[in-house]
Amino acid sequence: SQTIHQWPATLVQPVGSPLSLECTVEGTSNPNLYWYRQAAGRGLQLLFYSVGIGQISSEVPQNLSASRPQDRQFILSSKKLLLSDSGFYLCAWSEGVGQYFGPGTRLTVT
Amino acid sequence: QKEVEQDPGPLSVPEGAIVSLNCTYSNSAFQYFMWYRQYSRKGPELLMYTYSSGNKEDGRFTAQVDKSSKYISLFIRDSQPSDSATYLCAMRERGNTDKLIFGTGTRLQVFP
Repeated sequence: SQTIHQWPATLVQPVGSPLSLECTVEGTSNPNLYWYRQAAGRGLQLLFYSVGIGQISSEVPQNLSASRPQDRQFILSSKKLLLSDSGFYLCAWSEGVGQYFGPGTRLTVT
Repeated sequence: QKEVEQDPGPLSVPEGAIVSLNCTYSNSAFQYFMWYRQYSRKGPELLMYTYSSGNKEDGRFTAQVDKSSKYISLFIRDSQPSDSATYLCAMRERGNTDKLIFGTGTRLQVFP
């Protein structure tokens, strides 16, 4: 069966510091991968999606970036965090109709 | 106008009640409709999905799509305290893209 991992689970970072969140998927090959941010009361915002290694599409302009160095690895990064980057970050993969989410990383920028 | 509208709630019901959760949408090209359940501080979990119009039942859950009205519903029968969560609807067009458009979620509380 497929499993999706995210780490860390919780992160507190000062403004201006760098960020690296990692997501890995097990039990499937060549999945489509997604990064979402969920802010309180604002639903899920799609940030990036990837259909293969090195193929990244950005949905919204921001100071975040994504990379897919391996088939089942998806990384979300920032060089300098802003206060507005706080939120719950979710990685997801898709097969067929639905998308399947990881446990998430709660990021607080102070 | 947002593509998908969902009442944020909260919706508070007694145990055993029938719950109705709803979303409206504006894009007539949407063909796949999904419902996710999200417990506090957890990732969303796919409950069920339907294609085009009609009903789909899975245990205590029934998903209903009315494309003519651009309205989808999730019914929960015999609701339990463990059903207390936020429920998000999501939908997508048929075709190459599998990008989902989500509602903002409805918070449901089932009290004993």
